Amino acid sequence: GAVVSQHPSRVICKSGTSVKIECRSLDFQATTMFWYRQFPKKSLMLMATSNEGSKATYEQGVEKDKFLINHASLTLSTLTVTSAHPEDSSFYICSARIPGGETQYFGPGTRLLVL
Amino acid sequence: EDQVTQSPEALRLQEGESSSLNCSYTVSGLRGLFWYRQDPGKGPEFLFTLYSAGEEKEKERLKATLTKKESFLHITAPKPEDSATYLCAVLSLTGRRALTFGSGTRLQVQP
Repeated sequence: GAVVSQHPSRVICKSGTSVKIECRSLDFQATTMFWYRQFPKKSLMLMATSNEGSKATYEQGVEKDKFLINHASLTLSTLTVTSAHPEDSSFYICSARIPGGETQYFGPGTRLLVL
Repeated sequence: EDQVTQSPEALRLQEGESSSLNCSYTVSGLRGLFWYRQDPGKGPEFLFTLYSAGEEKEKERLKATLTKKESFLHITAPKPEDSATYLCAVLSLTGRRALTFGSGTRLQVQP
């Protein structure tokens, strides 16, 4: 149980284009999902907290207009990187919290490369 | 501000050589402490949640313990497949309900 998927697993795009990453909780409903970014050999950096049916809460320094988050259902949250630039290249990971609990279960991650 | 410090940064063991990883934390009231395993290019895999000092949890060759200031992840007779980065994270009772991660310990187990 507690499986989280992400799609795509890897994406390469040209500078200036937008990229959408999906995060799904497969066997449970998640009212709260989280989006992280991870640089090589570094730990996870929280970007935003996504709440179903309401606006996401962004961490300080994260541009909400650049990283659009939508949590339209209890099993799906999406992260859209708008007008991507090479500095947005990174490993993006989502997680979902089980209802009534504190443990977060993570997706497999999405590798984004912006050329 | 919540802080998590993991040591050592990297650890190389021979197969069968038991050891412990340390996670020291500072938090304004602990809601939970979490251990994850992360393989290269993959998302973290959940291992344990600990809630109060004195609590212990085991899974195969891994055992996690918790005190008021730190947590240990004990690895007994490790195998090469235990090689990974082990991440510790805390969740505070106050403030936003988001995990604060340590920088991880990269474990390499040689056959």
